[in-house]
Amino acid sequence: EPEVTQTPSHQVTQMGQEVILRCVPISNHLYFYWYRQILGQKVEFLVSFYNNEISEKSEIFDDQFSVERPDGSNFTLKIRSTKLEDSAMYFCASSEFQDRTQETQYFGPGTRLLVL
Amino acid sequence: GQSLEQPSEVTAVEGAIVQINCTYQTSGFYGLSWYQQHDGGAPTFLSYNALDGLEETGRFSSFLSRSDSYGYLLLQELQMKDSASYFCAVRALTGQNFVFGPGTRLSVLP
Repeated sequence: EPEVTQTPSHQVTQMGQEVILRCVPISNHLYFYWYRQILGQKVEFLVSFYNNEISEKSEIFDDQFSVERPDGSNFTLKIRSTKLEDSAMYFCASSEFQDRTQETQYFGPGTRLLVL
Repeated sequence: GQSLEQPSEVTAVEGAIVQINCTYQTSGFYGLSWYQQHDGGAPTFLSYNALDGLEETGRFSSFLSRSDSYGYLLLQELQMKDSASYFCAVRALTGQNFVFGPGTRLSVLP
């Protein structure tokens, strides 16, 4: 069964450093998302991406964040200057989303980011 | 905006039936989704209600009543492996913003 993959599984970085989290969505999916989940809390939407551009972003997704689809398969989230409060699990998700009578997002296994 | 509420914890025994409620305040949405998340794992899709009524998928059923701003996930014949967090979620009518509820931690006891 096709699945969303993410690398790395864990990332430790120093405050102020840049990190790039990578995702390979399911190949025939058109919509891509990044979420974060601080330990013990709910999943929070960051950004959605369609047709090579951001379609929606939350207030969390400020200027330090950016997303890119550099080639036909990868979808990346860059955090330019990490802060302690960026420590969280980051999930990538994708969906076909061609029919709003269906709503299924497929989540990757996540990247656990720890900012020291 | 969207705001969803769920009970924080539910406990039940193996073989029992449990209902996890989700109440919401939203300006409009396409449908109500349910996701399961085991500790340390990723959310996995369980069910989606675009219309009012009951959707059944095996041991899991989900219900939506837009007039009551309410939905629930029903888990039957509980198994130990059902111990996890369960999130309801909605997508706004405008944009691609997908909002998750705070989650309900289900503990299934032997």
